[in-house]
Amino acid sequence: EAGVAQSPRYKIIEKRQSVAFWCNPISGHATLYWYQQILGQGPKLLIQFQNNGVVDDSQLPKDRFSAERLKGVDSTLKIQPAKLEDSAVYLCASSLEVGGRKNIQYFGAGTRLSVL
Amino acid sequence: AQKITQTQPGMFVQEKEAVTLDCTYDTSDPSYGLFWYKQPSSGEMIFLIYQGSYDQQNATEGRYSLNFQKARKSANLVISASQLGDSAMYFCAMRANIIQGAQKLVFGQGTRLTINP
Repeated sequence: EAGVAQSPRYKIIEKRQSVAFWCNPISGHATLYWYQQILGQGPKLLIQFQNNGVVDDSQLPKDRFSAERLKGVDSTLKIQPAKLEDSAVYLCASSLEVGGRKNIQYFGAGTRLSVL
Repeated sequence: AQKITQTQPGMFVQEKEAVTLDCTYDTSDPSYGLFWYKQPSSGEMIFLIYQGSYDQQNATEGRYSLNFQKARKSANLVISASQLGDSAMYFCAMRANIIQGAQKLVFGQGTRLTINP
């Protein structure tokens, strides 16, 4: 079974530029998550989708970040314009269900963003 | 609000020894779940083990076991017979309920484990 796919693996941009990340979840997984992991910290949830609807985006800086999940499968996360503090690893995860006791989240390898 | 605390920034262990990574948590929910993930230098978060708050026995998965002490609100990960490939960051996480049954994971700061030959 293929895991969560993310691209690109690395991205270097200058501040005020825009950038987009792509994620393809595990086949059949209803829920998709985007996390931001700043160096030296644990991941922090940015947005969660169930199929193609947003479940939680309370931690997403909506003035510059946007995300969509077309047709309930692939998802893109965009930053426009980027700031220096957006330098981080952006992790995508998916899970089979929305809730449930165990509901394991499976992660991709992430995209490492450097904003200069 | 849920919170995870990992107090060991780094651990150094000799190969083949057992190692315990500490995790304490705080929540007011009676039903919760605790997870451990491994993050090697490649960046991917790898699920290791899960413990539910109502589970009667401590979880085990191969060389990984979870020492769950509910009264102390601790969920320490034990790795037996450590291997060089175990060198990585390890994150403890808690399932936090959002709305309508949806959940997110709240992560600790992580512990960097280094296995010496």
